[in-house]
Amino acid sequence: AQSVTQLGSHVSVSEGALVLLRCNYSSSVPPYLFWYVQYPNQGLQLLLKYTSAATLVKGINGFEAEFKKSETSFHLTKPSAHMRDAAEYFCAVSVSNRLAFGKGNQVVVIP
Amino acid sequence: NAGVTQTPKFRILKIGQSMTLQCTQDMNHNYMYWYRQDPGMGLKLIYYSVGAGITDKGEVPNGYNVSRSTTEDFPLRLELAAPSQTSVYFCASSLTGNSGANVLTFGAGSRLTVL
Repeated sequence: AQSVTQLGSHVSVSEGALVLLRCNYSSSVPPYLFWYVQYPNQGLQLLLKYTSAATLVKGINGFEAEFKKSETSFHLTKPSAHMRDAAEYFCAVSVSNRLAFGKGNQVVVIP
Repeated sequence: NAGVTQTPKFRILKIGQSMTLQCTQDMNHNYMYWYRQDPGMGLKLIYYSVGAGITDKGEVPNGYNVSRSTTEDFPLRLELAAPSQTSVYFCASSLTGNSGANVLTFGAGSRLTVL
């Protein structure tokens, strides 16, 4: 079955430092992968998605993710964290007309 | 442009009570979903629908029921509330279930507490 794994529920990063959130997938076929962000007391919104057009995907707010088939990974990065990046981030894979989500990473940005 | 609207935003129930969480979307999306979110557990799919009159179970359907009589509305019903159903519930919709284009639009969530 297709699934994603996110390790480390809480991630602390200093303002201006690199943000790196890891996502590994399990799939027997080429996957469609997504990153969603959830700001406090809101629903989820799409950050970016991989649909096989390009392995490096750029999203909103300066985030990007790279699809690496050899590592079965789709890690999310941002070169310089900002206070407004404090949120929960979810990796997801498309499975038979619906999305299966990882457990999420709560990102805390330290001033 | 309302998107996906959920009501109520907050609700406290007593064990054994029933209630319906309402969800409506104005984007003419065919696919609609109900997820529950528990701390540290991500989102779990409860039920989903690929069009009016068609519904199917997700990962955690027990204790819930849904209906889809129109394209716009997808209510979630809890028949006999239990403390294990304390959670935040999200309704979402998408235009298509096609894997690469399956971008979900989420509502703001409904926080339910069962005491």
